[in-house]
Amino acid sequence: GDSVTQMEGPVTLSEEAFLTINCTYTATGYPSLFWYVQYPGEGLQLLLKATKADDKGSNKGFEATYRKETTSFHLEKGSVQVSDSAVYFCAPRLEQTGANNLFFGTGTRLTVIP
Amino acid sequence: NAGVTQTPKFQVLKTGQSMTLQCAQDMNHNSMYWYRQDPGMGLRLIYYSASEGTTDKGEVPNGYNVSRLNKREFSLRLESAAPSQTSVYFCASSGQGTGNTIYFGEGSWLTVV
Repeated sequence: GDSVTQMEGPVTLSEEAFLTINCTYTATGYPSLFWYVQYPGEGLQLLLKATKADDKGSNKGFEATYRKETTSFHLEKGSVQVSDSAVYFCAPRLEQTGANNLFFGTGTRLTVIP
Repeated sequence: NAGVTQTPKFQVLKTGQSMTLQCAQDMNHNSMYWYRQDPGMGLRLIYYSASEGTTDKGEVPNGYNVSRLNKREFSLRLESAAPSQTSVYFCASSGQGTGNTIYFGEGSWLTVV
């Protein structure tokens, strides 16, 4: 069935380190792909998205590329900051309408230390 | 920009009590969702509503009921609260297209003692 596998955390990095959080999915059809971020005590908010193969989503220095051939959407940032400490969720959204078509990964907690 | 508004933000209940979590969105979205978030469990879907007048069970519906009152509002009711329902609850909404973003409320912290 449809599912998403996200790199388990927690991840602890020093400021200015490079970040990769892996995400792969299995899905029928052609999903759109999202990364959401949750800061402490808040709800989830969109970080970036890509809606077709080879699209690159980007925001706040984060990037992810829709790789249809490997069914992946890995999140990267070249130089993390303390303010990036949060939980990150990968979420494919499938094509079917009229039903629940959104799947969340389990979340990856990132802590950035000065 | 109100977006998705849910109330209350914090609530303590005794076992067996009932309560309703309210949610409203002002983005004219068809789809609305209720999730719970527990430590180490990620987000789990309780109920969703693909459009006004329809509701469907998600992954963990037991112990909950929902009402899609109109296009704007989607409430979640705990009829007889149990300690296992201690959690953070999130309401969300979106347009129905696959590329549409899901918008979340700020969360409701519920403790059942």
